[in-house]
Amino acid sequence: NAGVMQNPRHLVRRRGQEARLRCSPMKGHSHVYWYRQLPEEGLKFMVYLQKENIIDESGMPKERFSAEFPKEGPSILRIQQVVRGDSAAYFCASSPRGTHEQYFGPGTRLTVT
Amino acid sequence: AQTVTQSQPEMSVQEAETVTLSCTYDTSESDYYLFWYKQPPSRQMILVIRQEAYKQQNATENRFSVNFQKAAKSFSLKISDSQLGDAAMYFCAYRISGNTPLVFGKGTRLSVIA
Repeated sequence: NAGVMQNPRHLVRRRGQEARLRCSPMKGHSHVYWYRQLPEEGLKFMVYLQKENIIDESGMPKERFSAEFPKEGPSILRIQQVVRGDSAAYFCASSPRGTHEQYFGPGTRLTVT
Repeated sequence: AQTVTQSQPEMSVQEAETVTLSCTYDTSESDYYLFWYKQPPSRQMILVIRQEAYKQQNATENRFSVNFQKAAKSFSLKISDSQLGDAAMYFCAYRISGNTPLVFGKGTRLSVIA
């Protein structure tokens, strides 16, 4: 059973470009969480999704950030018009229904130049 | 709002010795879970140990054990017989029951001295 997959592992974008981060949850998991880790900080919750639904986006910046988890395919975290402050590691975690265990992917390190 | 505090930014331990990492949390909930995650240089988040708040018995996983003091809202991690591979960032995390997000502390960087 493959673990949570994230790609790309490293992404470099220039200021003003768009960044798309992908997360494929573990097989059978229908809940996805996105977290952001700034340098020398702990992980901060961004958004929680189930298939085709955003359940909680209280940690998501109001502008430029969006997330989706379509019926088919991976979850996508999209950052439009990136700025240097968006440079961070973005982690995805997945969970099966009705449990407290979250399994993390290896993260995507976004660098904005 | 729930918060998790790790008061030790850095710790070091001699190989084969024991070290304890501190964590306190603030919550008004009665049903919740506590976790310790390890983040080595690869940045992969690895679950070390988990504690359910309703369980009085402290969780243990091989060389890793916790001291869970519910009334004091304290959740420390003890690493026995430390190994070089234990060197990493350690994050304490909390969540209430159900499919809810984790709340993380800022982490403790553990160095293991040979």
